[in-house]
Amino acid sequence: DAKTTQPNSMESNEEEPVHLPCNHSTISGTDYIHWYRQLPSQGPEYVIHGLTSNVNNRMASLAIAEDRKSSTLILHRATLRDAAVYYCILRVISSGSARQLTFGSGTQLTVLP
Amino acid sequence: KAGVTQTPRYLIKTRGQQVTLSCSPISGHRSVSWYQQTPGQGLQFLFEYFSETQRNKGNFPGRFSGRQFSNSRSEMNVSTLELGDSALYLCASMPGSVETQYFGPGTRLLVL
Repeated sequence: DAKTTQPNSMESNEEEPVHLPCNHSTISGTDYIHWYRQLPSQGPEYVIHGLTSNVNNRMASLAIAEDRKSSTLILHRATLRDAAVYYCILRVISSGSARQLTFGSGTQLTVLP
Repeated sequence: KAGVTQTPRYLIKTRGQQVTLSCSPISGHRSVSWYQQTPGQGLQFLFEYFSETQRNKGNFPGRFSGRQFSNSRSEMNVSTLELGDSALYLCASMPGSVETQYFGPGTRLLVL
């Protein structure tokens, strides 16, 4: 799987938007961009994924650059519960591809009250 | 639906012993993957099982093994435990055709 680069840590104030960046300059045309997060003492949790177009769900939005070499996970109003490590992962989705997730070191998000 | 469950949640073993961890996937999910998480190496893929067959394996020694039963429940076994095997072991299940993985809370193993 292609490599992703994320900042080690970020801080945000509660109830403010958070933009978590991810660089993936070696992304291929078949790579989907996935985001997972891991809250303290829990297993990772799926957040969102996309291929080319921006995506929204109840948890977050994913903004993908036109050249797909970077993306941004947007939490519209951070809460204390959003404090977690956020992982940006590239995955090929095909019937013959390996299905494991290759985790990097992620971004530790701290939300300040 | 109930989520992924893992038992036991915590385990203490000594070097040289072996350990078996259990994972029950979400009902209807046929794929189970195992990951090891340590402070130094982060989250690393161990293996994936689908319909009782190992479909993929990570770069771990043969002391790490697993299996899946006909009801999709999975077990992983680590023989001849080493101190470096102390980690959080996570299980994730997937329906089989959708790429979202659903993780359990993990089993925290401490090897003394």
